[in-house]
Amino acid sequence: NAGVTQTPKFQVLKTGQSMTLQCAQDMNHEYMSWYRQDPGMGLRLIHYSVGAGITDQGEVPNGYNVSRSTTEDFPLRLLSAAPSQTSVYFCASSYSHTSGDNEQFFGPGTRLTVL
Amino acid sequence: DQQVKQNSPSLSVQEGRISILNCDYTNSMFDYFLWYKKYPAEGPTFLISISSIKDKNEDGRFTVFLNKSAKHLSLHIVPSQPGDSAVYFCAANILEGSGGSNYKLTFGKGTLLTVNP
Repeated sequence: NAGVTQTPKFQVLKTGQSMTLQCAQDMNHEYMSWYRQDPGMGLRLIHYSVGAGITDQGEVPNGYNVSRSTTEDFPLRLLSAAPSQTSVYFCASSYSHTSGDNEQFFGPGTRLTVL
Repeated sequence: DQQVKQNSPSLSVQEGRISILNCDYTNSMFDYFLWYKKYPAEGPTFLISISSIKDKNEDGRFTVFLNKSAKHLSLHIVPSQPGDSAVYFCAANILEGSGGSNYKLTFGKGTLLTVNP
């Protein structure tokens, strides 16, 4: 199993550009989520999905869109990049969203810089 | 409003000694608490969890203690090893969403543990 994969690893954008961060998991997990990590901050939830066709907003959703057309994939779209979106982005998945001790598996992260 | 607080940004210990990482929380409705470890340029990995109805959970060298009355938990690593050097995130889970059907994980800011040989 590859686990959770993310592409690209690094990306530099100019303000106003759009892009999609890719995330895929091969563990047949129903729950997938996107976090961002900023210096001195914990991981903050952007969007999450409890299954194909179902998505919801997390703590910091503004400026981001998601969709979940398959169980495996959960792309994150930046509509019009801003310097405030410079961050490290982590995708995560877990078997269940209804079990509180269910561990989340994280991808290696995408380091995004917006100039 | 930060609901999960890790007040020590860093901790340095000698190899073989005990490492104690602390975490405080404000929301008494949290159901589960989890610890994640993160190495540079990698994603976080799950370490250990504890239910809010327990006061201790142990897994090898790692033990988590929960004091509900104080809204405090701690992660003990005994003995500490150089490979334990990483950022440790405390996280708490709470049921949210329509009908309280989804768990939402809230992370602290992390503590950088350095274990010196």
